[in-house]
Amino acid sequence: NAGVTQTPKFQVLKTGQSMTLQCAQDMNHEYMSWYRQDPGMGLRLIHYSVGAGITDQGEVPNGYNVSRSTTEDFPLRLLSAAPSQTSVYFCASSYSSRYNEQFFGPGTRLTVL
Amino acid sequence: RKEVEQDPGPFNVPEGATVAFNCTYSNSASQSFFWYRQDCRKEPKLLMSVYSSGNEDGRFTAQLNRASQYISLLIRDSKLSDSATYLCVAHTGNQFYFGTGTSLTVIP
Repeated sequence: NAGVTQTPKFQVLKTGQSMTLQCAQDMNHEYMSWYRQDPGMGLRLIHYSVGAGITDQGEVPNGYNVSRSTTEDFPLRLLSAAPSQTSVYFCASSYSSRYNEQFFGPGTRLTVL
Repeated sequence: RKEVEQDPGPFNVPEGATVAFNCTYSNSASQSFFWYRQDCRKEPKLLMSVYSSGNEDGRFTAQLNRASQYISLLIRDSKLSDSATYLCVAHTGNQFYFGTGTSLTVIP
């Protein structure tokens, strides 16, 4: 199993550009989530999904969209990048949202100029 | 108020020392708790789950006090390889709330 994979590893955008961060898992996990990690702020939940076709907002959803058309994939879209979105983005998955550990992808380091 | 609060440290301890990290959570409805370890510029990885009865895994002991809404992690006989950031996590509903992490450096 590859576990949780994320692409790209690094990305530089200009303000106003849009892009999609890819996340995939091959563990047949129901629950998937996106976090951003900033210095001194810890990991903050952006969006999550409890199964295909179901998504919900986390703590910091503004400026991001998600969709979950399959169990395996959970892409995160930045609609119009802003410097405040410079961060490290982690995707995670777990078997379900209840009482289960999350497995994290390696992260995407995004810089918005 | 943050859902989960941790002392950010840093903690600098000599090899062989015992070190304890503490964490508090604000939502009494939180149903499960975890400690994750994160190495520099890497993804977080589960260290251990935390149960009300307390649990131990080798040199690591985790405890939960629901009455005080308090979670702890004790590391005995610290090794150089224990140097990392330790993240406390509270699971509430469908969301996982992470503390900002406590940085540990074990010194030879």
